[in-house]
Amino acid sequence: NAGVTQTPKFQVLKTGQSMTLQCAQDMNHEYMSWYRQDPGMGLRLIHYSVGAGITDQGEVPNGYNVSRSTTEDFPLRLLSAAPSQTSVYFCASSSRAVAGGNEQFFGPGTRLTVL
Amino acid sequence: QQQVKQSPQSLIVQKGGISIINCAYENTAFDYFPWYQQFPGKGPALLIAIRPDVSEKKEGRFTISFNKSAKQFSLHIMDSQPGDSATYFCAASMESGGSYIPTFGRGTSLIVHP
Repeated sequence: NAGVTQTPKFQVLKTGQSMTLQCAQDMNHEYMSWYRQDPGMGLRLIHYSVGAGITDQGEVPNGYNVSRSTTEDFPLRLLSAAPSQTSVYFCASSSRAVAGGNEQFFGPGTRLTVL
Repeated sequence: QQQVKQSPQSLIVQKGGISIINCAYENTAFDYFPWYQQFPGKGPALLIAIRPDVSEKKEGRFTISFNKSAKQFSLHIMDSQPGDSATYFCAASMESGGSYIPTFGRGTSLIVHP
């Protein structure tokens, strides 16, 4: 299993440009989520999905869109990039919780710079 | 409002020493407390987790201590090694729709000197 994969690894955008960060998992996990990591701020939840066709907002959703058309894929779209969106983005997936908890499996991250 | 507060922000320990990272939470509905370890350039990975029905959980050199009444929990790394140098995140979560989406602390950068 490849686990959680993310593309691209690095990206530089100009303000106002749009792009899609790709995320895929091959573990048949129901739950997928997107986080951004900024120095001193930890990991903050952007959007998450509990299954194909179902998405919801996290802590910092503004400026980002998501969709979940298949179990495997969960792309994150930036419609008009802003310098404040410069960050490292992580996608994560998890299975249905058993025994009162579950593990989040993270991808390797996408480092995005917006000029 | 920061729901999970983590300290210290950075920690330097000598090889063989004990590393201690502390976290506090606000929401008493949280009932699953994982710790994640992240090496530079990598995604976080689950290290150890605890539920509030126990006060301590140990896995090898890593121990979580949990104080439900104080709403605090901590990670202890015994006999710290240079290979433990990483960023550590505590998290708190509750079941929602069949999953536990964690709320993370801000992270602790641990450096273990040889």
